[in-house]
Amino acid sequence: GIQVEQSPPDLILQEGANSTLRCNFSDSVNNLQWFHQNPWGQLINLFYIPSGTKQNGRLSATTVATERYSLLYISSSQTTDSGVYFCAVERRETSGSRLTFGEGTQLTVNP
Amino acid sequence: KAGVTQTPRYLIKTRGQQVTLSCSPISGHRSVSWYQQTPGQGLQFLFEYFSETQRNKGNFPGRFSGRQFSNSRSEMNVSTLELGDSALYLCASSLQTGYNEQFFGPGTRLTVL
Repeated sequence: GIQVEQSPPDLILQEGANSTLRCNFSDSVNNLQWFHQNPWGQLINLFYIPSGTKQNGRLSATTVATERYSLLYISSSQTTDSGVYFCAVERRETSGSRLTFGEGTQLTVNP
Repeated sequence: KAGVTQTPRYLIKTRGQQVTLSCSPISGHRSVSWYQQTPGQGLQFLFEYFSETQRNKGNFPGRFSGRQFSNSRSEMNVSTLELGDSALYLCASSLQTGYNEQFFGPGTRLTVL
């Protein structure tokens, strides 16, 4: 099956710093999503970005599908940005849907 | 528009019992997928249902099963619970099957004693 690797596994920042999270995948994909998992476990949608660049406030994401990677940028980080960030991809299946997740990046933003 | 809802939110069972979890998708969404999250294995796909039919299945034993009703609500069942089934079970909904943005519910945290 498809492999998804996220880096770095852990990231500690001071409030106000910028960061870049990376997601590499081993095969062509038709769907790529970034999520933030809150302390209660819910996955919050950040971006649906199979290709191209999107921005939402302090967050932006870029997927270069031909080179099989995606980047999530967080600018002017806040303590509320802390948590685990997941990248998930979906490749062409013979039937149905299936997201394959990376292991996540644990982000800690200190005041 | 209401999000994905899952019930119950927390559950404690003992080995050998069975459990049923419920998921109501976002209104208008017809695809429901289930995922298991554990510290050791991460987030893993269980199965997906669309139009009351299982469309895709992950690598889980037959003790894990599911179904979808005509109103798109879905249930998953785990029989003969094992300690290793302790996990956060997440349900996701999307408009259609295949390459659609998926939206997740708050999860059901299952503890097997």
